[in-house]
Amino acid sequence: KAGVTQTPRYLIKTRGQQVTLSCSPISGHRSVSWYQQTPGQGLQFLFEYFSETQRNKGNFPGRFSGRQFSNSRSEMNVSTLELGDSALYLCASSLGRGLGNTIYFGEGSWLTVV
Amino acid sequence: AQSVTQLDSQVPVFEEAPVELRCNYSSSVSVYLFWYVQYPNQGLQLLLKYLSGSTLVESINGFEAEFNKSQTSFHLRKPSVHISDTAEYFCAVSDREDTGRRALTFGSGTRLQVQP
Repeated sequence: KAGVTQTPRYLIKTRGQQVTLSCSPISGHRSVSWYQQTPGQGLQFLFEYFSETQRNKGNFPGRFSGRQFSNSRSEMNVSTLELGDSALYLCASSLGRGLGNTIYFGEGSWLTVV
Repeated sequence: AQSVTQLDSQVPVFEEAPVELRCNYSSSVSVYLFWYVQYPNQGLQLLLKYLSGSTLVESINGFEAEFNKSQTSFHLRKPSVHISDTAEYFCAVSDREDTGRRALTFGSGTRLQVQP
């Protein structure tokens, strides 16, 4: 069974641009979450999607958005990039929203903003 | 609000020695507990989890963790480490009660450095 797949793995963007990251969950998984990992702030929850609807959102500005498609694949978008957005963005999936569902992570997308 | 504290940012240890990585949490609700491992330039891999039942949980590669409710701890241990265990280890919690929140709260991580 394939794991969580994220594309692209590495990308460099210029301040002010926007970026879209893609995530394919494990087959059969319907819940997709996104996390940001930086050396300073550690791992922080961005948002969670289930059945194409955003269910939870972390404490990030509106420049960070996402969506989920009918096949459970998800994208996240960051507009008007800032230097501080440089981070590893991790996508995670789980079977459902049930309490105790194990969350599995992808290898992440490394974003560098210059 | 939940929080997770990993008391040691780095733990150097010699190969074949025992190791303990400490994790304490605070939460106003009951929680599920997890340990994830991150190898260089990779994502997070689930190492083990405590959902219910026996407070001692084990992973397939020799790690174990014990849930201690009174001390709100979930320390990770291994009796004999290998060079290949060198990685960053993250403790995480998620709500056990239906608060509507479906997210993991992570600790700041502990870098385990196994030396020959």
